[in-house]
Amino acid sequence: QSALTQPPSASGSLGQSVTISCTGTSSDVGTYTYVSWYQHHPGKAPKLIIHEVFKRPSGVPDRFSGSKSGNTASLTVSGLQAEDEADYFCSSYAGSNNYVFGTGTKVTVL
Amino acid sequence: QALLQQWGAGLLKPSETLSLTCAVSGGSLHGYYWTWIRQPPGKGLEWIGEINHAGNTKYNPSLWRRLSISLDTSKNQMSLTLSSVTAADTAMYYCARLDILTSYPSWAFDSWGQGTLVTVSS
Repeated sequence: QSALTQPPSASGSLGQSVTISCTGTSSDVGTYTYVSWYQHHPGKAPKLIIHEVFKRPSGVPDRFSGSKSGNTASLTVSGLQAEDEADYFCSSYAGSNNYVFGTGTKVTVL
Repeated sequence: QALLQQWGAGLLKPSETLSLTCAVSGGSLHGYYWTWIRQPPGKGLEWIGEINHAGNTKYNPSLWRRLSISLDTSKNQMSLTLSSVTAADTAMYYCARLDILTSYPSWAFDSWGQGTLVTVSS
């Protein structure tokens, strides 16, 4: 499978919002609700922040929200905080017990 | 979520064998797929392979001839070996837990190791 497409970078000012897209195909994002998002601070373990398109694991602030339309999923970070500056990547189930990952987006908090 | 701690040799010469171990604490091996994922420098994440608590494995077709993933349930550890490495195997390697078999699965990689940078160079 091909990687899911994300913008290389995104930025927003403190307190503002930023939205990251994750574009796949009808074989992955378009068909399945098993889209997840991860926050990765370099040198640390990636952290699951959204699963099944919009669900937040316990402990993840509600500033993080997810959605999906067609073949594109989106992650929105509202009320940007300095600690939100990180790499973010998406993942989608692609059938037959296969998962595909996004290309990653570096979020900068201005 | 579980705590995954991984380790292994970080510098290899071409043709050598890559060996990584991932220790799982704070959770059972049962009910999950235990996965290896890698990210070459400047590139996206690549799924390497996985194993469940019963020892059933699935490998990336591009790597299966050189790849072996095993599980030591007595130590709560997962291991990866990749033989005959080349520069193309240079990457950050991660172990991760895939939650798709529990009663209320997240269908996501809910726990990750911190990563091990493996460099293949002569």
